[in-house]
Amino acid sequence: QDNLMESGGGVVQPGGSLRLSCVASGFTFSDHGMHWVRQAPGKGLVWLAVIAYDGTNEDYADSVKGRFTISRDNSKNTLYLQMDSLRPDDTAVYFCARDQRWLIKSVFESWGQGTLVTVSS
Amino acid sequence: IVLTQSPATLSLSPGDRATLSCRASQSLTDYLVWYQQRPGQAPRLLMSDATTRATGIPARFIGSGSGTDFTLTIDTLEPEDFGVFYCQQRLSWPPTFGGGTKLEIK
Repeated sequence: QDNLMESGGGVVQPGGSLRLSCVASGFTFSDHGMHWVRQAPGKGLVWLAVIAYDGTNEDYADSVKGRFTISRDNSKNTLYLQMDSLRPDDTAVYFCARDQRWLIKSVFESWGQGTLVTVSS
Repeated sequence: IVLTQSPATLSLSPGDRATLSCRASQSLTDYLVWYQQRPGQAPRLLMSDATTRATGIPARFIGSGSGTDFTLTIDTLEPEDFGVFYCQQRLSWPPTFGGGTKLEIK
């Protein structure tokens, strides 16, 4: 059974950094593109970033480009999101999500439970 | 591409039929995806490409539409069907979500 488990969330001051992790199990992680999606408290879903199955390509939403970096370690079945220069409006639950096999099709087949990031002084 | 979901809130009883709408600002052909998010849980994939149910999704969930107007119909609501439903377009980059329809128990 597919499982994605995020960690690394917490409270951070504006301008600070955090690194989120997402550990995958129950499927061949290295076959799938992976995404990060966030949800501010009481709000809807917003796509943030994607990385190809082999890590060779990545892309970002304009709101986080230049501040966030997505990466993966297929030997550890782990996806990462390095978040720098955090702002209060980055406060949200961050989900990792699995795309379909091989190509990026932006169909989020499986989701983790999310990790809460709070940016506040 | 902007996705507008309606209604914002739908109050129904178990056994009722639910009809949720998603309208796109430009044609998506059939590149429209539906998700359900129960309170306190992660979203789960319901439907891809407008009409294709995801693995394990019951047949009472029916997706229809193409172009700019899409509908998710849930026949004979079960208690576990309540929550917030989001549509998402995957035709243009980046992928974007609608604002959601909250389906609540009447």
